[in-house]
Amino acid sequence: AQSVTQLGSHVSVSEGALVLLRCNYSSSVPPYLFWYVQYPNQGLQLLLKYTSAATLVKGINGFEAEFKKSETSFHLTKPSAHMSDAAEYFCAAALTDDKIIFGKGTRLHILP
Amino acid sequence: DVKVTQSSRYLVKRTGEKVFLECVQDMDHENMFWYRQDPGLGLRLIYFSYDVKMKEKGDIPEGYSVSREKKERFSLILESASTNQTSMYLCASSLPGDQPQHFGDGTRLSIL
Repeated sequence: AQSVTQLGSHVSVSEGALVLLRCNYSSSVPPYLFWYVQYPNQGLQLLLKYTSAATLVKGINGFEAEFKKSETSFHLTKPSAHMSDAAEYFCAAALTDDKIIFGKGTRLHILP
Repeated sequence: DVKVTQSSRYLVKRTGEKVFLECVQDMDHENMFWYRQDPGLGLRLIYFSYDVKMKEKGDIPEGYSVSREKKERFSLILESASTNQTSMYLCASSLPGDQPQHFGDGTRLSIL
């Protein structure tokens, strides 16, 4: 079955520390992958997308993600967390019928 | 930038009412989608549309219908609102293919 799995519904990091949000996808999912961010009471905003041009994808706000086919992973990282990064993050994959399948989301908490 | 506009940010209705949620996009996207978002359940697809006057059921269409009379507008209709339809509703649009979806800010609907 096609699925996108995010490990950890809540992640807490200290301000200035590395952010790592984990995402794994089922091998039956075509490798068109995205990360979205949702701030409180807002819609989802595209952070970055993997298009097979490069395995390391840079996005907005200093985030990047690395596509690893052998691990079926697409983890999101940021070297140094900022208070403004507190939000919910969704990993997603595009399906062949133009739909997108979303992970359940990870809420990122930044500790002062 | 793509703009997806949802007509209301907050809406309060009563059980049994017919409720209309409106969504307009300004980028000539073929595809439009309606999701509901609930804590712990992530985003669930209600209905989607690939073109004017066409619609497809998503994962949870029961109790909902949609209308797409013009390319830029996609309406979600709750025929007879019930309390279990209290939720955050998100509209999105996209180009065909493995393209990211662009989201509106959402409508937080409460059914009393």
